[in-house]
Amino acid sequence: NSKVIQTPRYLVKGQGQKAKMRCIPEKGHPVVFWYQQNKNNEFKFLINFQNQEVLQQIDMTEKRFSAECPSNSPCSLEIQSSEAGDSALYLCASSLGGNTEVFFGKGTRLTVV
Amino acid sequence: GDSVTQMQGQVTLSEDDFLFINCTYSTTWYPTLFWYVQYPGEGPQLLLKVTTANNKGISRGFEATYDKRTTSFHLQKASVQESDSAVYYCVLGDPSGSWQLIFGSGTQLTVMP
Repeated sequence: NSKVIQTPRYLVKGQGQKAKMRCIPEKGHPVVFWYQQNKNNEFKFLINFQNQEVLQQIDMTEKRFSAECPSNSPCSLEIQSSEAGDSALYLCASSLGGNTEVFFGKGTRLTVV
Repeated sequence: GDSVTQMQGQVTLSEDDFLFINCTYSTTWYPTLFWYVQYPGEGPQLLLKVTTANNKGISRGFEATYDKRTTSFHLQKASVQESDSAVYYCVLGDPSGSWQLIFGSGTQLTVMP
């Protein structure tokens, strides 16, 4: 069973509002991922970290999206100004790195109204 | 680029039927392949993992064999149960250094009692 903890489970925001979600990776896992899963079950990679450093991120996250993984604190993903198209399930995952097993949290369901 | 193809969007079976979900992949690297299962309201859970070193994975009655010749990684189970109803994703691990996962489009399995 995955030990990746995501909060909150559900988030409802108005358009233009900030949305922030948090993730505690599995203990001992230095690599953290954020994915967006849309209503068609399509997964989009957003960003990943190794310890506190960004490994890779897509262009979208460089604009309205920001993420960090500070040491000794939960990782977070924040959308500065939410849009209707951001409504999705946001999944945090962690691993030991390389192509080792990746474990997902239960996700944060964001609805932008 | 690297990709994963699942042609079956939906599969409906009765309990004790044989399950076969087709998956093919494309990559120029030695692949690491996973099957994930996602239940409603949950994040994806790792079902099994296969690399070129161990070309068969078995977990919870499910098995998948990696075939380099046909670039396939089909999922099978001899006898499904109603509790197996979920969405199954064939996933390719990106070996290029970002370690992100490349998801197939998913197969919704419904098992009738």
